[in-house]
Amino acid sequence: EVHLLESGGGLVQPGGSLRLSCVGSEFTFSTYAMSWVRQAPGKGPEWVSVISYNGGTTYYADSVKGRFTISRDNSRNMVYLQMNSLRAEDTAIYYCAKDHATVVTGYYFDYWGQGTVVTVSS
Amino acid sequence: AIRMTQSPSSLSASTGDRVTITCRASQGVSNYLAWYQQKPGKAPKLLIYAASILQSGVPSRFSGSGSGTDFTLTISYLQSEDFATYYCQQYYGNPPRTFGQGTKVEIK
Repeated sequence: EVHLLESGGGLVQPGGSLRLSCVGSEFTFSTYAMSWVRQAPGKGPEWVSVISYNGGTTYYADSVKGRFTISRDNSRNMVYLQMNSLRAEDTAIYYCAKDHATVVTGYYFDYWGQGTVVTVSS
Repeated sequence: AIRMTQSPSSLSASTGDRVTITCRASQGVSNYLAWYQQKPGKAPKLLIYAASILQSGVPSRFSGSGSGTDFTLTISYLQSEDFATYYCQQYYGNPPRTFGQGTKVEIK
């Protein structure tokens, strides 16, 4: 069974930084694009970023562009989200999610992690 | 970015009812649309992709239809485990991807 496990969330002050990690198992990690999707309290999901299977292509939501950076290490089955200049509105559960099919980047997501909580507050 | 609008925002229904949720895109997305179910404290679960294709393991009482800007998710015979919040998501062209605001299906 595919498994995704996020880590790295926590409480951070406005303007601070945080790095989220996600490890994947039980699938060929290096052949799938991976996304980060967040969900603020009481709100619907918001797609944040995607990285292609080989790391060569990345996309970002306008709300995080220039502040967040997605990366991956296929040798370790890991995807990361470096979050800088954090704002109160970045407070959310952050999920990593696997693309449904290979050869596509950021289509729709058939497996999600359990999420890691990021709280931005002074 | 393409905006996705769901209606209604919530509905009350009884076990055995037929339920229909609609999703409208601010511009045409062909059939590049997915539906998810989310229960409290859990991650979203993929139900349908390509507007009408059922994800493996999803009960056949769920169905999707539509193309272009207007889509529907139908639950033909509501079961107790179907009480949840449902989201549509478009994946037309290059990212960004966008979700609808959700439809909460509650017990009447």
